[in-house]
Amino acid sequence: GAVVSQHPSWVICKSGTSVKIECRSLDFQATTMFWYRQFPKQSLMLMATSNEGSKATYEQGVEKDKFLINHASLTLSTLTVTSAHPEDSSFYICSARSVIQETQYFGPGTRLLVL
Amino acid sequence: AQSVTQLGSHVSVSEGALVLLRCNYSSSVPPYLFWYVQYPNQGLQLLLKYTSAATLVKGINGFEAEFKKSETSFHLTKPSAHMSDAAEYFCAVNSGGSNYKLTFGKGTLLTVNP
Repeated sequence: GAVVSQHPSWVICKSGTSVKIECRSLDFQATTMFWYRQFPKQSLMLMATSNEGSKATYEQGVEKDKFLINHASLTLSTLTVTSAHPEDSSFYICSARSVIQETQYFGPGTRLLVL
Repeated sequence: AQSVTQLGSHVSVSEGALVLLRCNYSSSVPPYLFWYVQYPNQGLQLLLKYTSAATLVKGINGFEAEFKKSETSFHLTKPSAHMSDAAEYFCAVNSGGSNYKLTFGKGTLLTVNP
């Protein structure tokens, strides 16, 4: 149980295009999902907290118009990187909070490369 | 405010040796504490968690951790390292509140030598 999926697992795009990443909790409902960014050999940096049916809460320094988050259902949150640039290349990881188990479960991550 | 310090960015042990990964936390309220493992190019997998029940927590793959309030520590141990334990390990704290945010340590890379 407590499986979280992400799609796609990797994506290569041209500079200026937008990329959408999906995060799904497969066997539990998640009222709260989180989006992280991880640079090579570094820890996870929380970008935003996504609550089902409401606007996401962004961490300081994260551009909300750049990283659009939608949490339309209890099992799906999406992150759209708009007008991507090479500096947006990174490993993006989502997590979903299981209310019952009081634990965050993480997806496998999406590697984004912007050319 | 909450924070996590992982002492030692890189720990190297021999196969069969004791594994000890250190984690100290700072929290203004009783914390929930977690250890996650990350294999290359993968997400994080939960190893174990402390949520105010027993102070000695057993997790998957033979790992365990002990919550010591007096030392504000939550060190991860395994009696005998296996080659498959080589990975990055992250300690994280959640001090409650409505946002349920985790604060991660910087991680410790564990290498296991044959």
